[in-house]
Amino acid sequence: QVQLQESGPGLVKPSETLSLTCTVSGGSVNRGTDYWAWIRQTPGKGLDWIGNLYHSGKTYYNPSLRSRVSTSVDTSKNQFSLNLRSVTAADTAVYFCARGIRIDGDHDGTIDWFDLWGQGTLVTVSS
Amino acid sequence: DIQMTQSPSSLSSSVGDRVTITCRASPGIGNYLNWYQQKPGKAPRLLIYAASNLQSGVPPRFSGSGSGTDFTLTISRLQPEDFATYYCQQSYSSLTFGGGTRVEIK
Repeated sequence: QVQLQESGPGLVKPSETLSLTCTVSGGSVNRGTDYWAWIRQTPGKGLDWIGNLYHSGKTYYNPSLRSRVSTSVDTSKNQFSLNLRSVTAADTAVYFCARGIRIDGDHDGTIDWFDLWGQGTLVTVSS
Repeated sequence: DIQMTQSPSSLSSSVGDRVTITCRASPGIGNYLNWYQQKPGKAPRLLIYAASNLQSGVPPRFSGSGSGTDFTLTISRLQPEDFATYYCQQSYSSLTFGGGTRVEIK
């Protein structure tokens, strides 16, 4: 049974980089039929999709965060990671990693959903 | 941008009630719509994908319907474990979530 677990600092200073890792257990981070994602949740704004990381190496990021986000996969550790640069207090949130599934839709693009989530980790941006 | 509006934002119901939650998309999104349940302190749980498909392991009292602009999540007979917040999510253009509907005990 595949499980996901986020890890990383719970406190980050403003203007610095938020770095989180998601460890995949019970399965391979390189599984080819789905992809990995990061999603965050703030009390004021609800759930906010950050971006997707595909096994091809391609990425797809939320346009509002694209200039500050990067992701990567470490197959040797069975992990994938998130970096969010130049953080502010608005980036304070619970961050989730998740497994994404997609199928071709009737229109352009794909129907995407998240069927497996980590438990989430709270990251506070404060000096 | 796709605007996702959930209604109501909260509701109070009793065990055994039929509950209906609505998600409206503007513009239309075909069937590119999913539903999640979230309990306090926990991650969201997928209930319905592609508007009407029940995720494996989810009780059949949950059902989804709709296409285009109007979607519905229905709980046929509310159980104690169903008191939670429910979110819709679209992937037709970028990927966004609705604001959530909190289902509380009456």
